[in-house]
Amino acid sequence: EPEVTQTPSHQVTQMGQEVILRCVPISNHLYFYWYRQILGQKVEFLVSFYNNEISEKSEIFDDQFSVERPDGSNFTLKIRSTKLEDSAMYFCASSGEAISYNEQFFGPGTRLTVL
Amino acid sequence: KNEVEQSPQNLTAQEGEFITINCSYSVGISALHWLQQHPGGGIVSLFMLSSGKKKHGRLIATINIQEKHSSLHITASHPRDSAVYICAVDGGSQGNLIFGKGTKLSVKP
Repeated sequence: EPEVTQTPSHQVTQMGQEVILRCVPISNHLYFYWYRQILGQKVEFLVSFYNNEISEKSEIFDDQFSVERPDGSNFTLKIRSTKLEDSAMYFCASSGEAISYNEQFFGPGTRLTVL
Repeated sequence: KNEVEQSPQNLTAQEGEFITINCSYSVGISALHWLQQHPGGGIVSLFMLSSGKKKHGRLIATINIQEKHSSLHITASHPRDSAVYICAVDGGSQGNLIFGKGTKLSVKP
């Protein structure tokens, strides 16, 4: 069964460093999402991406964040200068269509720890 | 912005019990999702509902659009059902989701 994969599973970085989180969505999906979950809190939407551009982003997704689909398979989230409060689990998801009637498939997550 | 509330926050049950988890939301939606988050953190989609009822194995999900309420039922619960169950609703036209805080279910043998 096709699945969304994410690498690395755990990333530890120093405050101020840049990190890139990688995702490989399901191959025939067209819509991609990043969510994050701070420990003990609910999952929050960061950004959605379609047709090589951002279609929607939340207030959390400020100038320190960027997303890219550098080739036909990868979907990346970059944090330019990490802060302590960026420590969280980051989930990538993909969907065949963006409308609400379609199921989203989630990756296993990347746990980011900022020291 | 839609507010998603789940109850209860925590639920402990004995194996075999019938379980109900509730979700309510404040603004009309196109679809509601029930998700399961395993202890390791991974998230799995269980159901997506826009009306009525869906059943998959021992899991049943219902939604009442007029009352802005959904329930997830687990029949004949089993310790392997222990997980966090999350309700999420569509937050916009691009499919992004607004999540509830989740219900932590523990099923004891």
